[in-house]
Amino acid sequence: AQTVTQSQPEMSVQEAETVTLSCTYDTSESDYYLFWYKQPPSRQMILVIRQEAYKQQNATENRFSVNFQKAAKSFSLKISDSQLGDAAMYFCAYSPGNTGKLIFGQGTTLQVKP
Amino acid sequence: DTAVSQTPKYLVTQMGNDKSIKCEQNLGHDTMYWYKQDSKKFLKIMFSYNNKELIINETVPNRFSPKSPDKAHLNLHINSLELGDSAVYFCASSQPGRPYGYTFGSGTRLTVV
Repeated sequence: AQTVTQSQPEMSVQEAETVTLSCTYDTSESDYYLFWYKQPPSRQMILVIRQEAYKQQNATENRFSVNFQKAAKSFSLKISDSQLGDAAMYFCAYSPGNTGKLIFGQGTTLQVKP
Repeated sequence: DTAVSQTPKYLVTQMGNDKSIKCEQNLGHDTMYWYKQDSKKFLKIMFSYNNKELIINETVPNRFSPKSPDKAHLNLHINSLELGDSAVYFCASSQPGRPYGYTFGSGTRLTVV
């Protein structure tokens, strides 16, 4: 079965510091996509960053970057220079091949302390 | 505004009632989805439609029936509501097989009392 695991239910970071959120997944597919979504209290799902499995280079979007370890099936999110607006629930998600389906992890609640 | 819009945003109803949630997208996407987020915030796909055709049905109870009158609309009808149906329901759309083009609606919080 394809599963996504986020082992950190809650994380905390000081404003301006760096934090890493962990995600592992289980799949036998070779073609897939990985994502991090942010869900603030407004409950809107916001795409933070995505990674295609065939790309070796780690994706980067401004202060957000990933560490994609395909062999280890690990996909962590690093947030640099954390801001108060980064406080939210973060979901790791996996999408196999061309199904369009998203399989989500359990989520990590990130608190940013001023 | 280009978006995925869901109505209503909040829905409170009694057990046993039938209710519908509507979803519309004006992004020109061919594929639409329904996801359920439970009380523990866990998100799981329920259905996927591609150009009005059912593609994914994730063993959802028969009380849930999606309806897609055209590729821009995907409504969710729920019969005989139960307490366990209380959740946030998200509609989303994308181009077929291209999950990186996902756009989510703002969600409908359903509370069954």
